[in-house]
Amino acid sequence: GESVGLHLPTLSVQEGDNSIINCAYSNSASDYFIWYKQESGKGPQFIIDIRSNMDKRQGQRVTVLLNKTVKHLSLQIAATQPGDSAVYFCAEPSNTGNQFYFGTGTSLTVIP
Amino acid sequence: EPEVTQTPSHQVTQMGQEVILRCVPISNHLYFYWYRQILGQKVEFLVSFYNNEISEKSEIFDDQFSVERPDGSNFTLKIRSTKLEDSAMYFCASTLDGRVQPQHFGDGTRLSIL
Repeated sequence: GESVGLHLPTLSVQEGDNSIINCAYSNSASDYFIWYKQESGKGPQFIIDIRSNMDKRQGQRVTVLLNKTVKHLSLQIAATQPGDSAVYFCAEPSNTGNQFYFGTGTSLTVIP
Repeated sequence: EPEVTQTPSHQVTQMGQEVILRCVPISNHLYFYWYRQILGQKVEFLVSFYNNEISEKSEIFDDQFSVERPDGSNFTLKIRSTKLEDSAMYFCASTLDGRVQPQHFGDGTRLSIL
C-alpha cells in the first residue's frame, strides 16, 4: 500500500494559539487528501479535503496546505480551542478509490 | 445530520467464538466499508461493499471474515473464529456513491478477545 505518515506523534499548544499538523505522503500520483479528527471514543470525523489542483483550501478555522513538490500537506488550526484536542489523521484514497490509507495520527493537546 | 451507527459499542468475546458487529449506514448511502484500528495504531482498511458484493478487501480480511447486508438498513461484519489479535476498534463507514469523497464513519465497536 501507499505510505501516508505524520512527522510528529504529539503536539501541545496553548489555547488561542495556532496549531500546525504535518503529513508526508509517498505516492506522487495522489490527487486527493483528507484530514480527519478523531476524538477519544469516537470514529474519524471529516474536517477538510483538498485536491491536487489546489495548494490551499480554507474552512472554518482550518486551512490545509498542499506542497506537491515535497509531497507534504499540513493542517493549520487557528485560535486552537480545548475542543480541538484529538488525534488528527491525514488520509489518501487508493488507486481504486475503494479505501483510504490513513497516517499514524498526531495527538493534539490544547492547554487551557 | 445523518449518522452511521454501530452496535454494540463494546463486545467481549472468548477466543474461538464467532462475533457479529453491526452497522446502520446513512440511509441513502450505497457504498459501505469496514476498517479496524488496533490500539495506538493507524486505521486500517478491511473491506468495501457495494451492490451486495465485496468491491475490494485487504489482506487482513481473510477467510475468517465475512460481510453481509441482510436487509435494507444493516451492514454486518462477522468474524468466524476470533483470535486474540482481532482485538481492536472496528469502524463502519459509508458513502453516497462510488466517487472518491470523504467516508462517513460510525463511532466504532471495541472488540475485546479474551
